[in-house]
Amino acid sequence: EPEVTQTPSHQVTQMGQEVILRCVPISNHLYFYWYRQILGQKVEFLVSFYNNEISEKSEIFDDQFSVERPDGSNFTLKIRSTKLEDSAMYFCASSSSGNNNEQFFGPGTRLTVL
Amino acid sequence: QQPVQSPQAVILREGEDAVINCSSSKALYSVHWYRQKHGEAPVFLMILLKGGEQKGHEKISASFNEKKQQSSLYLTASQLSYSGTYFCGTPRGGFQKLVFGTGTRLLVSP
Repeated sequence: EPEVTQTPSHQVTQMGQEVILRCVPISNHLYFYWYRQILGQKVEFLVSFYNNEISEKSEIFDDQFSVERPDGSNFTLKIRSTKLEDSAMYFCASSSSGNNNEQFFGPGTRLTVL
Repeated sequence: QQPVQSPQAVILREGEDAVINCSSSKALYSVHWYRQKHGEAPVFLMILLKGGEQKGHEKISASFNEKKQQSSLYLTASQLSYSGTYFCGTPRGGFQKLVFGTGTRLLVSP
């Protein structure tokens, strides 16, 4: 069964460093998302991406964040200068349609900022 | 604004039933239900698209009352594997950004 994959599974970084989180969405999906979940809290939307551009972003997704689809398969989230409060689980998701379709979530990357 | 779920936590014995509610102060056009086990990604359970719609998934079913802006998830004859946190989500915006509810932790014990 097709699945969303994410790398790395765990990333530890120093405050102020840049990190890139990688995702490979399901191959025929067209809509891509990043969510994050701070430990013990709910899943929060960060950004959606369609047709090679951001379609929507949340207040959390400020200038420190960027997303890219550098090739036909990868979808990346970059955090330019990490802060302590960026420590969270980051989930990538994809869906085949934007119209009330199931979003398939990847296993997540746990980001720890020291 | 995020949907509010109740109860916040439930402890069941295997075989017991539970109901998890999700309500919103804003209109709900559809409701997505996910289950998340500790340390894992959310797993899709079902989508309810229309008011009055009911759906089933194994022994887990849900209803959607559009007028009351709420949805309920029913777990019958619970199994140990049902343990986890259940989130309802509703799309906001044009591209299905999901806003998740506050979550309900379910623990099923033997």
